[in-house]
Amino acid sequence: QKEVEQNSGPLSVPEGAIASLNCTYSDRGSQSFFWYRQYSGKSPELIMSIYSNGDKEDGRFTAQLNKASQYVSLLIRDSQPSDSATYLCAFYAGNNRKLIWGLGTSLAVNP
Amino acid sequence: GAGVSQSPSNKVTEKGKDVELRCDPISGHTALYWYRQSLGQGLEFLIYFQGNSAPDKSGLPSDRFSAERTGGSVSTLTIQRTQQEDSAVYLCASSANRLDTQYFGPGTRLTVL
Repeated sequence: QKEVEQNSGPLSVPEGAIASLNCTYSDRGSQSFFWYRQYSGKSPELIMSIYSNGDKEDGRFTAQLNKASQYVSLLIRDSQPSDSATYLCAFYAGNNRKLIWGLGTSLAVNP
Repeated sequence: GAGVSQSPSNKVTEKGKDVELRCDPISGHTALYWYRQSLGQGLEFLIYFQGNSAPDKSGLPSDRFSAERTGGSVSTLTIQRTQQEDSAVYLCASSANRLDTQYFGPGTRLTVL
């Protein structure tokens, strides 16, 4: 079983729609979860971190964490063409030594 | 404040040459990470520093790769006798402490001819 799995996409949504990105992980000891956005040719930038079960909202972005089901998701409301990028989920492994990265989901928001 | 900086931004070298890549982390960040990202691929962990020591070197692909960090700040990644398969973007990230959010530099694009 892979440590982390993301649908590679591409996920295509129309402008103004809600984009839903999902990530599942295998390490039950994981505590800290992150969503990063990476534009083509650029380095990853943090969108949001989440540590507790439930929802965390920041502007148009909502992160959802369910430790029992071992998944974390990112919802983007009112999607804009500028949101078109690859979204990476990451978490600190139970041994707390390094960040485990998903391969990313490519999102395309169509005008 | 200043973010993570890396130099050079681009490096083209010939096969067999040695290269040094530099990372200057956010001031005060104790943890520093090196990653490699090949075109269209995910992030590949290389090495992690806590202060000047490297508790985890497990991602270094071969003994041609080495890294050091001095003064708890700047880090240098050295690749000896470069090969074409070393061509990638090398990313550096730092975090305030070991389990905190990682912030990335702009990367160094290495091309080995």
